[in-house]
Amino acid sequence: AQTVTQSQPEMSVQEAETVTLSCTYDTSESDYYLFWYKQPPSRQMILVIRQEAYKQQNATENRFSVNFQKAAKSFSLKISDSQLGDAAMYFCAYRPPNFGNEKLTFGTGTRLTIIP
Amino acid sequence: GAVVSQHPSWVICKSGTSVKIECRSLDFQATTMFWYRQFPKQSLMLMATSNEGSKATYEQGVEKDKFLINHASLTLSTLTVTSAHPEDSSFYICSAWTGQYYGYTFGSGTRLTVV
Repeated sequence: AQTVTQSQPEMSVQEAETVTLSCTYDTSESDYYLFWYKQPPSRQMILVIRQEAYKQQNATENRFSVNFQKAAKSFSLKISDSQLGDAAMYFCAYRPPNFGNEKLTFGTGTRLTIIP
Repeated sequence: GAVVSQHPSWVICKSGTSVKIECRSLDFQATTMFWYRQFPKQSLMLMATSNEGSKATYEQGVEKDKFLINHASLTLSTLTVTSAHPEDSSFYICSAWTGQYYGYTFGSGTRLTVV
């Protein structure tokens, strides 16, 4: 079974600085999807960024980027120029290949605090 | 983007009563809906997967008779908590696969309090 591990229960960063959240996963598949979701105090799950395993290029979305190391099964999230609105729980998630009803496997989450 | 509307956002019910939570896909057809439960400061725990027109698949340890899931149409899935008890109090979230680009979209969640 796939597992997703987030080893940092809590992280904090000064506003405008850069922070990296760690995520490792275990799978025997060669093709899959990885996601980072943000859950702010409203508890609405928001997609931050996604990565297809077959793509070697790391995904980037504005201030958010990932470091995808397929051989190491590592998928870290870098947040640049941290803003107060980035404060939230961040969940790393794995999805196996195939379309349709494949379920997500979530990590335990990292609570990110932004220090003004 | 794809939107899932979840209602109610907050509900209080008396012990022994039943509560229904609805999730509607507003601008796409959700052939599969996932139902999660989330305890405070914890991750999402998948309860069941529902496919339109067929029976839901429950995760191990989830009581099928207590958490009834119906997915009668491509735009509506419901979770009914039957004979609710205080230990069923939690945050429930639905999610649907929207397709390759958007990935999964989540409802805004329902906070259930059983008194």
